[in-house]
Amino acid sequence: EVQLVESGGGLVQPGGSLRLSCAASGFTFSSYWMSWVRQAPGKGLEWVANIKQDGSEKYYVDSVKGRFTISRDNAKNSLYLQMNSLRAEDTAVYYCARGTRSYDYWGQGTLVTVSS
Amino acid sequence: DIVMTQTPLSLSVTPGQPASISCKSSQSLLHSDGKTYLYWYLQKPGQPPQLLIYEVSNRFSGVPDRFSGSGSGTDFTLKISRVEAEDVGVYYCMQSIQLPFTFGPGTKVDIK
Repeated sequence: EVQLVESGGGLVQPGGSLRLSCAASGFTFSSYWMSWVRQAPGKGLEWVANIKQDGSEKYYVDSVKGRFTISRDNAKNSLYLQMNSLRAEDTAVYYCARGTRSYDYWGQGTLVTVSS
Repeated sequence: DIVMTQTPLSLSVTPGQPASISCKSSQSLLHSDGKTYLYWYLQKPGQPPQLLIYEVSNRFSGVPDRFSGSGSGTDFTLKISRVEAEDVGVYYCMQSIQLPFTFGPGTKVDIK
């Protein structure tokens, strides 16, 4: 059974940092592009970043470029999102999702709250 | 960025009745590879989104056949032939022909 389990969310002050993790199981992690998608409270979905199978290609939405870094460790079947210089508008549930152009499996999400 | 719009933004449907959601993109989603990168997701209350339809009209594994997708270029439609109580939630269209991938604002469907 495919499972994606996010962790690492929490309350952080503006300007702070947080590292999200996504533990994958039930499939060959190294064979798939992976992505982060976020959802602000009561709002819609926003694609944040994605990463190629071997980590050689990474793409970001403009609003997080230079502040967020997506990475993966295929030996640990894990996806990461390093978030620096956090802003109030980064407050959201962050989902990891499997796929290249569509997302067939999603995690349950981890909530990041940026507030003083 | 490609802008995705959806109409209506909310829909109240009697069980057993049909429902239709429109999605329009600001640019054509037809790729040079012949595929059209338009997807539909349903986010049920308190859950992550789930894939319903891929590449305009293909139902994902396990999706009931009362769901169907159609369209081309910039205009797309999701239809539910007979709405059931379990279909409540927010429906999103998404394009992935061009980065950043973008979602529509969502259409909230509830039961009368």
